Amino acid sequence: EVQLVESGGGLVKPGESLRLSCAASGFTFSTYTMNWVRQAPGKGLEWVSSISSNSRYIYYLDSVKGRFTLSRDNAKNSLYLEMNNLRVEDTAVYFCARDFKPQGILAMPAGSWGQGTLVTVS
Amino acid sequence: EIVLTQSPGTLSLSPGEGVTLSCRASQSISTSYLAWYQQKPGQAPRLLIYGASSRATGIPDRFSGSGSETDFTLTITRLEPEDFAVYYCHHYGSSRTFGQGTKLEIK
Repeated sequence: EVQLVESGGGLVKPGESLRLSCAASGFTFSTYTMNWVRQAPGKGLEWVSSISSNSRYIYYLDSVKGRFTLSRDNAKNSLYLEMNNLRVEDTAVYFCARDFKPQGILAMPAGSWGQGTLVTVS
Repeated sequence: EIVLTQSPGTLSLSPGEGVTLSCRASQSISTSYLAWYQQKPGQAPRLLIYGASSRATGIPDRFSGSGSETDFTLTITRLEPEDFAVYYCHHYGSSRTFGQGTKLEIK
């Protein structure tokens, strides 16, 4: 069974930093593109960042470029999101999500999700 | 950057009815990299459709997706009580984006 467990959320002040982690199990982590998607309280979904299986390609939402850094450790089956210079508008539940199928020729959407970790910037 | 606009914002329907949700892209999604998700309160999203029209694993056949270029739809025939939720369309690829969502509520 695919499991994605996020951790590292919490309450911070504007300008401070947080590091989110996502522990993956139940699948071959090193073959999947991984993602972070966030959801502000009472709002819709917002894609934040994606990383290819071998970390060669990393993409970010424009509003987090230069502040957030996505990385992964395939040996530890873990995904990380380093968030610096946090803003009030970064307040959200952050979901770790695995692409639906292993990385291949065709792009895939996220198909398995964790339960999320809440980041509050206030 | 592709912007996805969903309509309507909210729909009030009764179980047993059918519904079609719309998602319009600001520019052509020629690769058909368009997905649909269902989200219930307090839960993570659930992938329903990918590639504009392919059902994800375990999704009932009352859910179907169609469309191309800039206009996409999600159709649910014979609404079940568990189908009342928020639905998001989603463009994926190197950059990704979500529509603002359509809330399906019980009439």
